[in-house]
Amino acid sequence: GNSVTQMEGPVTLSEEAFLTINCTYTATGYPSLFWYVQYPGEGLQLLLKATKADDKGSNKGFEATYRKETTSFHLEKGSVQVSDSAVYFCALSDWMDSSYKLIFGSGTRLLVRP
Amino acid sequence: DGGITQSPKYLFRKEGQNVTLSCEQNLNHDAMYWYRQDPGQGLRLIYYSQIVNDFQKGDIAEGYSVSREKKESFPLTVTSAQKNPTAFYLCASSIGGARGDNEQFFGPGTRLTVL
Repeated sequence: GNSVTQMEGPVTLSEEAFLTINCTYTATGYPSLFWYVQYPGEGLQLLLKATKADDKGSNKGFEATYRKETTSFHLEKGSVQVSDSAVYFCALSDWMDSSYKLIFGSGTRLLVRP
Repeated sequence: DGGITQSPKYLFRKEGQNVTLSCEQNLNHDAMYWYRQDPGQGLRLIYYSQIVNDFQKGDIAEGYSVSREKKESFPLTVTSAQKNPTAFYLCASSIGGARGDNEQFFGPGTRLTVL
């Protein structure tokens, strides 16, 4: 079946460092891809998405490019802030039983130190 | 403001008791979902509903039940048959339909602890 694999955390960075969180997927067809963020004690929020190959999603300084050839959707940010500390989930949309559902990776915790 | 509300935020239950978690949305969304989140395991789908009066089992439905009598409400009951119910439960909704790029909107979650 379809699946999402993320790099294990925690990822610990100093403020203003460059961030990469790796995400690869296994899927039949061409799913949409998402990054969600979860701040401590809260639900998930959509960070960005891409719907087809070579699309780049971006939001709040974060970017991710849909790479079909490497089945990847890595999350990047050029300069992280303490406020970016959260858990980041990569996900893909999966068509099953006549509806779309999200399949999530296990999440990567990011800790940014001042 | 439109959004999803879950209550309560924290819930404690004795072993052998059923408990119901509330989820309400005022986004006029057709689809609603329940997920369970355990440390290091991401989110797992419990139940989902694409339309009122209809719902389907997700990947880990055993020990849970739901109802969808109103478009805006999708309560989840954790029954005594659920062997390990302590977890963080998240409700979500989306426009639904046959579009794979539809965003899911999440509530703030309910943390259930079995004593």
